[in-house]
Amino acid sequence: EDQVTQSPEALRLQEGESSSLNCSYTVSGLRGLFWYRQDPGKGPEFLFTLYSAGEEKEKERLKATLTKKESFLHITAPKPEDSATYLCAVSRDDKIIFGKGTRLHILP
Amino acid sequence: NAGVTQTPKFQVLKTGQSMTLQCAQDMNHEYMSWYRQDPGMGLRLIHYSVGAGITDQGEVPNGYNVSRSTTEDFPLRLLSAAPSQTSVYFCASSRQGAGDTIYFGEGSWLTVV
Repeated sequence: EDQVTQSPEALRLQEGESSSLNCSYTVSGLRGLFWYRQDPGKGPEFLFTLYSAGEEKEKERLKATLTKKESFLHITAPKPEDSATYLCAVSRDDKIIFGKGTRLHILP
Repeated sequence: NAGVTQTPKFQVLKTGQSMTLQCAQDMNHEYMSWYRQDPGMGLRLIHYSVGAGITDQGEVPNGYNVSRSTTEDFPLRLLSAAPSQTSVYFCASSRQGAGDTIYFGEGSWLTVV
């Protein structure tokens, strides 16, 4: 069965304290892996798409990496405005499967 | 720059009532989809469409109908609302398919009493 598992479920960091969020997946025929940011009361906002193992993408303080079984979202020197829920998703055929997300809280 | 537009934003229904959640996109995207988001469950795919006239079921289709008569619109119909359908509903679209970047609407909050 196709599955996407994100860890940890929640993470509290001090401002400037770097860390990583994990997304592990079991899916055959992966077409792409996506990272989204979701703020309370809002729809998910696209961050990155990764298509093949070894691929990396960066945007401001965020960097996403992909291996054959998992993806990491590294956050460097986070700020309070980076607080949000981060969602990982994989696409297979015509369907997208989401993980349950990691709630990230950055303390000033 | 509208993107994906959902209406209504909030709705309260009585058990057994029917209603339609509207979704429109102005990006000429072929792929559209509906998700529901519940606490502790993440986003779950209800129905999707790869183009006008084509729809298919996702992970949790029961109790919902969809149609895709135009490229722009993808309404979600609740035939006989149940309390278990209380949720936040998101419509999303992408240019070519599930392997392409998906863009989401702002969500519709539905409560069934």
